[in-house]
This record gives sequence, structure tokens and C-alpha cells, in this order.
Amino acid sequence: AQSVTQLGSHVSVSEGALVLLRCNYSSSVPPYLFWYVQYPNQGLQLLLKYTSAATLVKGINGFEAEFKKSETSFHLTKPSAHMSDAAEYFCAVSGSNTGNQFYFGTGTSLTVIP
Amino acid sequence: DTAVSQTPKYLVTQMGNDKSIKCEQNLGHDTMYWYKQDSKKFLKIMFSYNNKELIINETVPNRFSPKSPDKAHLNLHINSLELGDSAVYFCASSSSSGANVLTFGAGSRLTVL
Repeated sequence: AQSVTQLGSHVSVSEGALVLLRCNYSSSVPPYLFWYVQYPNQGLQLLLKYTSAATLVKGINGFEAEFKKSETSFHLTKPSAHMSDAAEYFCAVSGSNTGNQFYFGTGTSLTVIP
Repeated sequence: DTAVSQTPKYLVTQMGNDKSIKCEQNLGHDTMYWYKQDSKKFLKIMFSYNNKELIINETVPNRFSPKSPDKAHLNLHINSLELGDSAVYFCASSSSSGANVLTFGAGSRLTVL
């Protein structure tokens, strides 16, 4: 079965500092990978997705993620954190070997310190 | 136009009552889902419908009954509400072809007193 592991349920960074949110997946077949963001009291929005094209994927709001097959990782980064980045971030995996179903990680809460 | 809309946004009710949450999508997707998000933000899939047919039915009490009148709608009816049903319920939709992307509704916050 597919699974997604997000290391660190809470991450705090200073405004302007690098954001790094970790995601590892388990799959014998390269899946589709996603990062979603959830702002307080809102639904989940797609940040970016990997679909076997370029391994470095750029998303909205300055975020990007790199697919590393050898490490089965899809970590999310942003060079400089902004106060508005404070939110819950979810990594997810899907693909033909999951019946196109989505499996979500447990989420990482990002706090940005002024 | 809201792509995935669900109503109501907030629902406060007493234990033992029956309630429904409605969901509609205008994206032309063929698959719709219900997710439950608990107070720790864990997202758990409850049901998935593809072209009105149930394809995922996770371990959910049979007090929860989804209904899909057509592929643009997926409603959730809950009987005999319990305190533990308090959560945010998200509707989502996707296309089964290609790199399907889940599009979520804004959520329905259910509080059972």
C-alpha cells in the first residue's frame, strides 16, 4: 500500500529564512506527488504537483519541490518565508498503482516568526 | 464560480440528530470524495464515487451514507450523530484520467453537542 510520511508535525522559521518541509513516500512505481496548503478555516489548495516531467517542480507563492527517486523524497522548499506562509501543509501521493486514489501525509504546521 | 461548493459551511446540532451535507462540482470531474479532518488536522478518506458508483468505502460507521444523484453531486447523510462525529468534512473531486488533481471544497464544520 502507498504511504506518505511527513517528518515534523510542526516547523517554525523566522521571516525571511528558508522553509524546508519534508515528505517521503513509499512506492515501487514512481507516483504522482502533490503538496497542498491549508490556511486557517479554509479548504486545501494545490501548491504544486509532480507528474514525471521535470524533477524540480515550481508552484505558487514561490514554493518548489524536488522529486528524488533515490531518496523517495519530495521535500517542499521556499527560499524566504513570509508571514502569509503560516499554514498547514500536506504531502500527497497518487498514481495508477494506487487506483488513482490519494494518500495524504499527516500534515506539517508551519509557523513564521516575525 | 466556485469549483467545488459544499453546504452548509457550519452545522451545530445535538447528539442523536440526523444531518446532511451537500456537495456540487462544476469542473466536469468524474470522481468525487468525502474526507474527514479531525481536530489534529488528520485527513481521512471516507468515500469515493466514480460516475455515481461507490469505489471506496473506508471503515466508516454505517450511520454515514453517501448519495450521488449524478456525477456532479455527492451528498453525505449522517444518522444518529455522536460527539465523535464533530470534525470538518471536505468534499473533493478529480478526473480519473491523467495526473488527476484533487480539488477541495471549503469544508463543512460539524459540531455535535
